[in-house]
Amino acid sequence: AQSVTQLDSQVPVFEEAPVELRCNYSSSVSVYLFWYVQYPNQGLQLLLKYLSGSTLVKGINGFEAEFNKSQTSFHLRKPSVHISDTAEYFCAVSDPTGANNLFFGTGTRLTVIP
Amino acid sequence: GAVVSQHPSRVICKSGTSVKIECRSLDFQATTMFWYRQFPKKSLMLMATSNEGSKATYEQGVEKDKFLINHASLTLSTLTVTSAHPEDSSFYICSASRSGRGNQPQHFGDGTRLSIL
Repeated sequence: AQSVTQLDSQVPVFEEAPVELRCNYSSSVSVYLFWYVQYPNQGLQLLLKYLSGSTLVKGINGFEAEFNKSQTSFHLRKPSVHISDTAEYFCAVSDPTGANNLFFGTGTRLTVIP
Repeated sequence: GAVVSQHPSRVICKSGTSVKIECRSLDFQATTMFWYRQFPKKSLMLMATSNEGSKATYEQGVEKDKFLINHASLTLSTLTVTSAHPEDSSFYICSASRSGRGNQPQHFGDGTRLSIL
């Protein structure tokens, strides 16, 4: 079974500063990895995904993430955040060989401070 | 592309009422749709997975008779909360995927805020 740990429930950061949101997973098989963003009272929007290939994945809104198999991590980064990046961010995994079920972390609330 | 529409966005109703929530994939065919429940400041909890033309697969602890799921076409799935009670109040989110394979991302609707008085 897969599980996801997002170590930080809340991350405050000043505008234009860099940010890293941490995600670690556990799985006995290879995984697909995803980052989603949720704005208040809305559903989830896919930021980026890792399926295979290059371990550095670039997504929308200037975000990127790096898959590190040895550390079982998939941290999300952005070099310079904007006020509009304030939202809840969810890391998720799925099993490539099984049903398309996503297992979500508990989320990280990113707050960008002006 | 890959737009998912969820309707209604908000429902307020009396205890004992049944409420239907629709999830539509607008520009693609969704073989598989998922229904999640999200509690305040919590992650998403998968309730059930539905494949077009088949019975839904419910997660452990989710009452099948309480949360009726229908996936009659490749673009529409519905969740009916039967005889809703205040404890059913929550944010319900659907997602749709082109297939049941793990490499196909899920595309999410904007959610439905259900409030039972």
